Amino acid sequence: GQNIDQPTEMTATEGAIVQINCTYQTSGFNGLFWYQQHAGEAPTFLSYNVLDGLEEKGRFSSFLSRSKGYSYLLLKELQMKDSASYLCAVMDSNYQLIWGAGTKLIIKP
Amino acid sequence: GAVVSQHPSRVICKSGTSVKIECRSLDFQATTMFWYRQFPKQSLMLMATSNEGSKATYEQGVEKDKFLINHASLTLSTLTVTSAHPEDSSFYICSAGYSGEVSYGYTFGSGTRLTVV
Repeated sequence: GQNIDQPTEMTATEGAIVQINCTYQTSGFNGLFWYQQHAGEAPTFLSYNVLDGLEEKGRFSSFLSRSKGYSYLLLKELQMKDSASYLCAVMDSNYQLIWGAGTKLIIKP
Repeated sequence: GAVVSQHPSRVICKSGTSVKIECRSLDFQATTMFWYRQFPKQSLMLMATSNEGSKATYEQGVEKDKFLINHASLTLSTLTVTSAHPEDSSFYICSAGYSGEVSYGYTFGSGTRLTVV
């Protein structure tokens, strides 16, 4: 079966760094996505990785290891507005997105 | 960038009535739209995949006669919740691929909060 695992909840301090991990087992692989979702709103696209390595985009970076079925989202210089759920999703061989349950990130002052 | 417009954003309806939700791709052609449902504190649950000009493909456990999907054009897909009941109250979101460019992921509509009373 297809499976995406990520922690349910994480807490971090404003100004710090946090890493949200995601492991996956899917039928085929056409890339891994990270989305941010604030409560009551639709998800917004953060990043896409299809090759191994680190992709940096401002305060956010995303890493992928296809051989390990592993990715992480790294958030630096945390701000209160970063409090949200972060969803990991893998695009399978049929180009369908398989979603993780999301990680709720709580930022404390 | 790719934009998907979804409305209404909120709707309250009486039990037994039907509600239509529209999703439009504003600046690209969406051959495929995905309809999701999300209950509080849970992840997205794919309900169905809507392909322009053909019947939608429903996920297991989703009643196709209750959740009617129409994708009549490359820019419009609709979801109609028929004979709505309180347990249908949820957050419904559509998404579409951006002209086949995988790296952009899927653009989401802003979601519709349905409350059935």
